[in-house]
Parts: sequence; structure tokens; C-alpha cells
Amino acid sequence: QKEVEQNSGPLSVPEGAIASLNCTYSDRGSQSFFWYRQYSGKSPELIMSIYSNGDKEDGRFTAQLNKASQYVSLLIRDSQPSDSATYLCAVIPGFQKLVFGTGTRLLVSP
Amino acid sequence: GAGVSQSPRYKVAKRGQDVALRCDPISGHVSLFWYQQALGQGPEFLTYFQNEAQLDKSGLPSDRFFAERPEGSVSTLKIQRTQQEDSAVYLCASSLRDANTEAFFGQGTRLTVV
Repeated sequence: QKEVEQNSGPLSVPEGAIASLNCTYSDRGSQSFFWYRQYSGKSPELIMSIYSNGDKEDGRFTAQLNKASQYVSLLIRDSQPSDSATYLCAVIPGFQKLVFGTGTRLLVSP
Repeated sequence: GAGVSQSPRYKVAKRGQDVALRCDPISGHVSLFWYQQALGQGPEFLTYFQNEAQLDKSGLPSDRFFAERPEGSVSTLKIQRTQQEDSAVYLCASSLRDANTEAFFGQGTRLTVV
């Protein structure tokens, strides 16, 4: 079992819709969770961090964490074509290193 | 500088050549990470420094890979006797405090071994 799992996609949504990206992790001791956005040919860009159960909102982005289910999600409201990118879920398990999933490719069509 | 700076941006090496990749973290950032990213994959952890101390090097794929951060600021990732499977993007990230805080990435170095 991989430490961080994501569906590779692509996830296709129309402009203006809500995009829902999901991630599961294996280490129950994980305390820190991050979402990064990566455009093709570019480096990962941090868009959200979440550390406690529940929702955290920042503009059009909402991160959701459920430690009991070992599940993290990212919702993007009013999706725009410029949101088309690969979204990487990253987790810091009990030991101190940031572990990434393989990423979910999001395509927002005009 | 304002962000993490990596150099060179691109490097072509002949198989068997040694290469050195440089990372200049955000000023004042304590933690520094190196990752390797193959096409279509997420970044894979290589090694982690807190100041000048290398706390974790479990991700280095072989003894041909070596990293250092002698003064707790700039770091160098060295790959000896490069092989074709070393071709990837090498990403450096830094964070303000320990590894549990937000990490910010540089633009990466794309290494191609021919």
C-alpha cells in the first residue's frame, strides 16, 4: 500500500462547477497535510495546509480532513480553466518528511 | 532572495559524468529537502536537512548520490557516475522551522543523462 494515494485522473469538470479531489493516507500518526498545485513543466506550488479535523477555507479552495477515515480532500469552487493542473496531496507521517501522492490531473473546460 | 533558487535549470550530462546541483533556500529557513520527480509521478523524497545536519537520507537511491549543506544555508546535491535512470527533475524545498511546517519549492533542475 502506498503511503499517499490519489486517483491519477484526469478529472474533467466544466467551468463554474465544483471540482472535488481526494486523497487517502496510510499512517495514522500523520499530523500535517498539504495540497500543492503543479502546472505542466513547473514546480509544485503550495495552495493549502490543514492540521486538524474539519474544513479549512481559503477563497475558492476548501480543504477537508478526516483523520478517523485517513482522508483528505480539496474542493475548488467556481472552477476556472486556469485551475487545470495536477494537484498533489502531501502528508507528513510520523517521521519527518513530506510524502507525496502521484497527483490528480484536473481539466476544466470552458 | 524571495524564493527558493535552484541552478542550473537544465543540465545534460553524458553517462558516467559527475554533476552538482545547487539549491539556495529562502533566507532564514531552517529545513531543506531534496526530491526527485519523474515524468507523470509525484515528487519522491531524497534527503532532509535541519540547518547543517542531514537528519534523513533514506531516499537517496544509491551511494552515487550525496548531499551536503555545510553552513546551514546553500545545499548541493551531487550525483557521481550518472546513469540514464538518473534523468529526472530534481526539486529543492525549504521550510521555516522543522519538517512539519509548510515547504516551498524551487523551480527545479531538469537533468538529462545521455
